[in-house]
Amino acid sequence: SQKIEQNSEALNIQEGKTATLTCNYTNYSPAYLQWYRQDPGRGPVFLLLIRENEKEKRKERLKVTFDTTLKQSLFHITASQPADSATYLCALGGDSGGGADGLTFGKGTHLIIQP
Amino acid sequence: GAVVSQHPSWVICKSGTSVKIECRSLDFQATTMFWYRQFPKQSLMLMATSNEGSKATYEQGVEKDKFLINHASLTLSTLTVTSAHPEDSSFYICSAADLGLYTDTQYFGPGTRLTVL
Repeated sequence: SQKIEQNSEALNIQEGKTATLTCNYTNYSPAYLQWYRQDPGRGPVFLLLIRENEKEKRKERLKVTFDTTLKQSLFHITASQPADSATYLCALGGDSGGGADGLTFGKGTHLIIQP
Repeated sequence: GAVVSQHPSWVICKSGTSVKIECRSLDFQATTMFWYRQFPKQSLMLMATSNEGSKATYEQGVEKDKFLINHASLTLSTLTVTSAHPEDSSFYICSAADLGLYTDTQYFGPGTRLTVL
């Protein structure tokens, strides 16, 4: 069955450092991978999408890599700030091909940026 | 842009009653909306895919007679939890894909917390 693994433990990073979150998946051939931010009691907020034919994508302080051979994505936040503290979700989609697809989510990694 | 709203944001009901949750795309049209459920410290689980003007497609293990979905327009989908029981207590979240953008980008609503007593 499809499986997505994210760092199960909370990740504590000092303010100003780069936070790196990992998403590994098995039994899946996604057409794209997405990263979302979720705050407690709130819905996910879209951050970045990377397609299977892309290696890296950046948006401001965020960078995502996608290695379809390793079946892994890395999510980086540079110059981290306490406001970046949240749970970050990895989601895969596009396995069924064409049109809008429901996403398969990982459990998320709780990131804590300490001042 | 790309804002999705949900109503209500939270609801408490007695066991056996039905609860309707609305999902609206406020500034874009969406032929497809999705309904997810999230239990504490768990991942979002896709329940069903809702297409405007047609029947919803349910994921394996989700009872279609219990979770009624109606997608009457390009901006509104509703989820009705019929005869709710305590085990249905969860965080229900909808999302919508923007027709004007890549259909693989989904925008999520703020969620609805359902508590069944």
